[in-house]
Amino acid sequence: QLHLQESGPGLVRPAETLTLTCTVSGGSFSSRTYYWAWIRQPPGKGLEWIGTISYGGSTDYNPSLKSRVSISLDTSKNQFSLRLNSVTAADTAVYYCARRGDHGRAYDFWGQGTLVPVSS
Amino acid sequence: DIQMTQSPSSVSASVGDRVTITCRASQGISTWLAWYQQKPGNAPKLLIYAASSLQSGVPSRFSGSGSGTDFTLTISSLQPEDFATYYCQQTNSFPRSFGQGTTLDIK
Repeated sequence: QLHLQESGPGLVRPAETLTLTCTVSGGSFSSRTYYWAWIRQPPGKGLEWIGTISYGGSTDYNPSLKSRVSISLDTSKNQFSLRLNSVTAADTAVYYCARRGDHGRAYDFWGQGTLVPVSS
Repeated sequence: DIQMTQSPSSVSASVGDRVTITCRASQGISTWLAWYQQKPGNAPKLLIYAASSLQSGVPSRFSGSGSGTDFTLTISSLQPEDFATYYCQQTNSFPRSFGQGTTLDIK
């Protein structure tokens, strides 16, 4: 069974860079069929798509975050990462990593999520 | 960008009821639509992909339909474990977008 696990700091200061890593285990990471994504959810609110990366390294980002976000891949470690620059309190959210699977381009496996508060 | 609008935002129902949630896309997305269920403190769980295909392991009381701009998620006979928030997501184009969610609670 595929397992995704987010890791990163418990707190980020305003204007700093948020960096999260998603480690994938228990299944294939290197298949060209799959895409890997980051999605976030502010407390008490809905889901916001951040961006995605393919196994080949091509990326797409939410235009609302595009100037501040980057997603990268480390195939040697079965990991992909999110960097979000110049954070503010509005970036406080639970951050999820997820896999786009074979069917309908939907996200079939998700990490448990990690809450990242932005506060001084 | 494609906007996704769900209705209602919340609904109250009883165990055994049939419930339908609607999702409308701001432009045609063929059948590139997914439905997720989220319970408090948990990650979303995929229920339906390609508008009407049931994800493996999801009970058959869940069904999806629609194409183009209008879609529905139906739960044929509510069970206690179905009380949750439901989101639609378009998978037609980037940026991917979600509906605002529909909270299903116990009447």
